[in-house]
Amino acid sequence: AQTVTQSQPEMSVQEAETVTLSCTYDTSESDYYLFWYKQPPSRQMILVIRQEAYKQQNATENRFSVNFQKAAKSFSLKISDSQLGDAAMYFCALEGAYQGAQKLVFGQGTRLTINP
Amino acid sequence: GAGVSQTPSNKVTEKGKYVELRCDPISGHTALYWYRQSLGQGPEFLIYFQGTGAADDSGLPNDRFFAVRPEGSVSTLKIQRTERGDSAVYLCASSLFNAGPKFFGPGTRLTVL
Repeated sequence: AQTVTQSQPEMSVQEAETVTLSCTYDTSESDYYLFWYKQPPSRQMILVIRQEAYKQQNATENRFSVNFQKAAKSFSLKISDSQLGDAAMYFCALEGAYQGAQKLVFGQGTRLTINP
Repeated sequence: GAGVSQTPSNKVTEKGKYVELRCDPISGHTALYWYRQSLGQGPEFLIYFQGTGAADDSGLPNDRFFAVRPEGSVSTLKIQRTERGDSAVYLCASSLFNAGPKFFGPGTRLTVL
């Protein structure tokens, strides 16, 4: 079975500051993919960043970067220079490359508030 | 269309009724997925289509739930004899191929009274 755990139900940060959202996971698959999705009040899940487990280099997308610690099964998201538009629910997700293929397993989410 | 669309946006029904939720994927996307998101939770996988066939329906909770994609494009999620526990947001996603990034629609919020 695959599980994803987000231990921070809520986080807040001052505008322009940096915030890190935590995620741990468990899987028996040797290859897998990890994702962070953003869900604003419009409900639409938006892909923020994707990491392939076989790649040691941490993925980066503009102000968003991850800290992928494979041995610790940890996958945190760092948002730099936080903007008001970053306020949303953030979900960490895992997809196995084999048995778990095509099935995203999501964590429970972290609600991020940006304080002006 | 430009993105995944879902109709209706909101659906209120009474316990025991039948409902259909529609998903229009991005044009040309061969893979289509349904997820269910209960209040305060992350989405949970329901079913995955590759083309017209259901490649994996292991997430459907029971036989009251059924989904079709007859022409390999639009999909309909059907729920019979709705129960209050079925209340949730039902999300649809599509991808160009089965290993590609998934694009989600805005979901249908189903409320069963």
